[in-house]
Amino acid sequence: EDQVTQSPEALRLQEGESSSLNCSYTVSGLRGLFWYRQDPGKGPEFLFTLYSAGEEKEKERLKATLTKKESFLHITAPKPEDSATYLCAVQVRSNDYKLSFGAGTTVTVRA
Amino acid sequence: NAGVTQTPKFRVLKTGQSMTLLCAQDMNHEYMYWYRQDPGMGLRLIHYSVGEGTTAKGEVPDGYNVSRLKKQNFLLGLESAAPSQTSVYFCASSYGRGFGSPLHFGNGTRLTVT
Repeated sequence: EDQVTQSPEALRLQEGESSSLNCSYTVSGLRGLFWYRQDPGKGPEFLFTLYSAGEEKEKERLKATLTKKESFLHITAPKPEDSATYLCAVQVRSNDYKLSFGAGTTVTVRA
Repeated sequence: NAGVTQTPKFRVLKTGQSMTLLCAQDMNHEYMYWYRQDPGMGLRLIHYSVGEGTTAKGEVPDGYNVSRLKKQNFLLGLESAAPSQTSVYFCASSYGRGFGSPLHFGNGTRLTVT
């Protein structure tokens, strides 16, 4: 069974304190790994798609990387507006329609 | 350009009551999905549609029905609500069937069944 595990569950950072979130997965044939951001009371918002090991994507203070077993979301010099829950999801080759989501990491950045 | 719109935003039901959640998208997307989100768990797919007039079961379909009579609308029905269906429900749409086609989500419906 496909499994997606995110750690830590919660992360409290001081403004400017860089850190990383982890998404580990056990799937049979990865087709793509997605990162989403979710603000309280809102739906998830797409950030990145990664397709193959070694790939990296960047957007402002966020950088996502992918290996054969896990993905990291690096937050560099975070600001309070980066506070959100970050979700990762994997898409496997056998089921194109389905994304398997992790439970998320809730990041709180204090000024 | 509203994207994905869900109605209602909040609803409280008594056990055994029925209701329909409405999802509308204005992006001309072929694919639409209904997910539920529960504390400590990832989003789970309930039902999905690959085009107008089509529906298919996801990983947690029991107790729900769906219809896609028009391309832009995707309805989720609960025929006889149960407390286990208390959750936040998200509708999403995508241009393609995946391989990099991201999901666009609505802002959710918070449903409480007492």
